Amino acid sequence: DARVTQTPRHKVTEMGQEVTMRCQPILGHNTVFWYRQTMMQGLELLAYFRNRAPLDDSGMPKDRFSAEMPDATLATLKIQPSEPRDSAVYFCASGFKETQYFGPGTRLLVL
Amino acid sequence: GQQLNQSPQSMFIQEGEDVSMNCTSSSIFNTWLWYKQEPGEGPVLLIALYKAGELTSNGRLTAQFGITRKDSFLNISASIPSDVGIYFCAGRWSGGGADGLTFGKGTHLIIQP
Repeated sequence: DARVTQTPRHKVTEMGQEVTMRCQPILGHNTVFWYRQTMMQGLELLAYFRNRAPLDDSGMPKDRFSAEMPDATLATLKIQPSEPRDSAVYFCASGFKETQYFGPGTRLLVL
Repeated sequence: GQQLNQSPQSMFIQEGEDVSMNCTSSSIFNTWLWYKQEPGEGPVLLIALYKAGELTSNGRLTAQFGITRKDSFLNISASIPSDVGIYFCAGRWSGGGADGLTFGKGTHLIIQP
């Protein structure tokens, strides 16, 4: 089974530190999405790419978050500087046409 | 952004019972998806619906795309312990340009043996 992979699976860091999360989409999928999941807000779309081009990052705090896709096999989400309110599970999903397949997530705790 | 109202928030049922949950929206959606999430994992796609009125099954799961395009339901027949998890509906709003999904808040399914 082809799967979306994410690293790291867990991250604990201190406020102010840079956090980088990585995602390898399913081969052949042309869209990549970043979501954040919290108890209060549920699943929220942060940003997405199609054919490696960023199409929408309106859900992302621009001052500290950045998303890139340096090549077709790697998408990154960076937070700099991190804050305690960024603590959440961050999911990457890849898709082709209408459907999306999620990775296992990165559980981030910012102290 | 668009919002989906998913109900019920949680369900406590006996093994073997049938389950029904639904999602409604104030806007028209052109795609409805149903996901299941288990602890420590990402959502897993169960069923995808693309046309109004479409009824699709996946084993004991059946989902329908509402005729008005503003709702969808998911039924699980003869529930078993491994059905436990959080079920999310997700939709793609027809009026928006984004491909990102809007998610419901989830239905927590708990099964008592």
